[in-house]
Amino acid sequence: DTEVTQTPKHLVMGMTNKKSLKCEQHMGHRAMYWYKQKAKKPPELMFVYSYEKLSINESVPSRFSPECPNSSLLNLHLHALQPEDSALYLCASSQPGLAGGTGANVLTFGAGSRLTVL
Amino acid sequence: QKEVEQDPGPLSVPEGAIVSLNCTYSNSAFQYFMWYRQYSRKGPELLMYTYSSGNKEDGRFTAQVDKSSKYISLFIRDSQPSDSATYLCAMTYNQGGKLIFGQGTELSVKP
Repeated sequence: DTEVTQTPKHLVMGMTNKKSLKCEQHMGHRAMYWYKQKAKKPPELMFVYSYEKLSINESVPSRFSPECPNSSLLNLHLHALQPEDSALYLCASSQPGLAGGTGANVLTFGAGSRLTVL
Repeated sequence: QKEVEQDPGPLSVPEGAIVSLNCTYSNSAFQYFMWYRQYSRKGPELLMYTYSSGNKEDGRFTAQVDKSSKYISLFIRDSQPSDSATYLCAMTYNQGGKLIFGQGTELSVKP
């Protein structure tokens, strides 16, 4: 079983709905990530939180709003999405970059939340 | 030109075959190289991690990095149907740097 838990596994929403994706990890990692993955494509980075602070926002539309309430939790709030936003949304965690360390790039991914926007 | 190129396949092999998966890259600053395996409808899982050049072996899996040629490989020996998945190469410049993924190669191992 993955050590990064994502809920819900599947979500169907209309373009006017507001919903949230949730992610939880208990590995003591202090960096958490949201990725978007379309079919037969690699994951695309959306946001990175390091020590609960937003450190990277890859120019993601404002209809996606991340939140990191504490070191174990990461949320992605969704509002007014478009059908083209339908995808697998992956959460991941890692240790933040440490000089001389080897763990910073080792991402542990969750199983993903499959989102369909009607 | 993409920073990381990976043949998307699909690649189909018989059980027991040796599989070779490859990625080329354009930026010589990459130092950390990874292979992730992704089963259908699952998140990617780390398979191999290599720093700089050289080989690394883990059971049936061997990762090779040739920085002079900007080329990385993953070899799977005695392939099994359970190896059927998409294999993603990934690399980055430094600790905590953004991972650059290849397109992923879809592998099917037939019994």
